[in-house]
Amino acid sequence: AQSVTQLGSHVSVSEGALVLLRCNYSSSVPPYLFWYVQYPNQGLQLLLKYTTGATLVKGINGFEAEFKKSETSFHLTKPSAHMSDAAEYFCAVSVDTGGFKTIFGAGTRLFVKA
Amino acid sequence: ETGVTQSPTHLIKTRGQQVTLRCSSQSGHNTVSWYQQALGQGPQFIFQYYREEENGRGNFPPRFSGLQFPNYSSELNVNALELDDSALYLCASSLIDGKAATNEKLFFGSGTQLSVL
Repeated sequence: AQSVTQLGSHVSVSEGALVLLRCNYSSSVPPYLFWYVQYPNQGLQLLLKYTTGATLVKGINGFEAEFKKSETSFHLTKPSAHMSDAAEYFCAVSVDTGGFKTIFGAGTRLFVKA
Repeated sequence: ETGVTQSPTHLIKTRGQQVTLRCSSQSGHNTVSWYQQALGQGPQFIFQYYREEENGRGNFPPRFSGLQFPNYSSELNVNALELDDSALYLCASSLIDGKAATNEKLFFGSGTQLSVL
């Protein structure tokens, strides 16, 4: 069965500091991997996705993630945090298991301090 | 703005009642997925509809059912409501070119907040 584990339900960084949100996945077949962001009272919005090819994926708002098969990881990073980055971030994995579905992690809430 | 609209935005029901939530997918999309997001948790997959047929289901009981219409809008029905059904229900639409496609991007609505008393 496929699953996603996000390490740390809350992460706090100072404005301008590096953002690192951790995600590990479990999948018996090559996965497609995603990061979504959710702002208060809104639905989820895609930040970036990995399907095939280059393992370093760039997304919107300066975020990027690297697929590491050997570590089964897909960590999200941003070199310099901005106040507007404060939100909930979800890692997700998508595979065909005889019926398609995208499985989400529990989420990591990012706090950005001035 | 994703073009996915959900109604109503908020709903209060009592235990044992039935509820219908509605979702209008983004223009051109052929697939709708429904998710339940409890407070402080990630979205849990309920089911997906592709071209009016169920195309995958998560670990939810049969009292959770759905429909997709020819215009690709969708309904989520929940019978015999329980207190634990209180959650944000999210609809996501996408365009896939086959039932098994897995690399599509999901476009989410803002959700329906359901409270069961």
